[in-house]
This record gives sequence, structure tokens and C-alpha cells, in this order.
Amino acid sequence: SQTIHQWPATLVQPVGSPLSLECTVEGTSNPNLYWYRQAAGRGLQLLFYSVGIGQISSEVPQNLSASRPQDRQFILSSKKLLLSDSGFYLCAWGRRVDEQFFGPGTRLTVL
Amino acid sequence: GENVEQHPSTLSVQEGDSAVIKCTYSDSASNYFPWYKQELGKRPQLIIDIRSNVGEKKDQRIAVTLNKTAKHFSLHITETQPEDSAVYFCAITGGSYIPTFGRGTSLIVHP
Repeated sequence: SQTIHQWPATLVQPVGSPLSLECTVEGTSNPNLYWYRQAAGRGLQLLFYSVGIGQISSEVPQNLSASRPQDRQFILSSKKLLLSDSGFYLCAWGRRVDEQFFGPGTRLTVL
Repeated sequence: GENVEQHPSTLSVQEGDSAVIKCTYSDSASNYFPWYKQELGKRPQLIIDIRSNVGEKKDQRIAVTLNKTAKHFSLHITETQPEDSAVYFCAITGGSYIPTFGRGTSLIVHP
């Protein structure tokens, strides 16, 4: 069966510090991968999606970036965090365009 | 791009009552309509879905109806229970890799 992991589960970072969130999927190959941000417990904002290694599409221009160094690994990064980057970050995967299986999420607080 | 409006944003009901959440969309190419439930602090999880060639689908106390002509679909929960309290998201998917989510409905079931 397929499993999706995210870490860390919780993160508190100062403004201006870098960020690296990791997502990995097990039990499948060549999945579509997605990064979402959810602020204030509502609304899923799609940040990035990837249909293959090295292929990243950005939905919202901001100080975040994503990379897919391996087939089942998706990384969300920032060089300098802003207060507005606080939120619940969700990674998701799917085999088809209409599938979305979400990871457990990372709660990021920027102080 | 695709657009989906979800109403109401908050719904408060008494235990045992029914709850209905409605989503409207604009892209006639949309062909897959899932509903997700997100409990506090948890990941969104698929609870029911419907495809464009079906008008209604039921799974125990939950059902989804689709009106393709009017471009709206609804989630129906009967005999609500306190554990139904959560945020519910509708979504649509058409021909792209990018699912579009509604803004969410916070359902509160009072015992």
C-alpha cells in the first residue's frame, strides 16, 4: 500500500531564517506531487505541483521554491522566511489528475 | 482557470439534523467532483466523490448530487453526529493536473 510522509510535524522558525520541508511517498512510482499551504485552518492554496523528477510548476509567486530530486521526494524550501509564511503545509500525491492523497502536514510558525 | 464557490462558510446544526453544503463551478470541462473532510489539526481525507456521468452517489449517511446543467454539486449529511464536526472541502478537476478546491465549510454539530 502507499504511504506519504512529511517532516517535521511542527516547526518554529524566526523571520529571515531558511526553510526545508520534506515529503516522501512509498509504494508507488512516478506520482504527481503537490504542495499546499493552509492558513488559519481554512482554504487550501496550491503552491507547487510536479509530474516528474525535476519538473516543477509554480502556482503562486512568492519566496518559496520546490524541488523534486528523486521520483518520490518533494521538498519545499525558502531562503528567508516571512511572518506570512506561517501555516499548515500539506504535501499530496496522486496517480491520476483527479487523485489527492494528503500527507499528515507540517505546522510552521514564523516568529 | 477553474473556479469553485462553496457555501455556506459555516454551518451549525443540532445532532440528528441534516446538513447540506453546495459548490458551484464555471468550467464545463470539469468531470470529477470529490469532497474532503478535515478534522481539526488533521489532513483532509476523501469522503465521497462523483464523476460527471453520474447524478447522485450515496454512502451510508453521506451523499453527493451533481447538476451538470446548472454547474453545481452538493454534499448531504443526514442524521448528523458530533463526530461529523469538521471542515468540508469540495473540489473540481478538469483536464489539467491542478485540482481546484472550495474555501471550505466549517460544520458544527451540537449534541
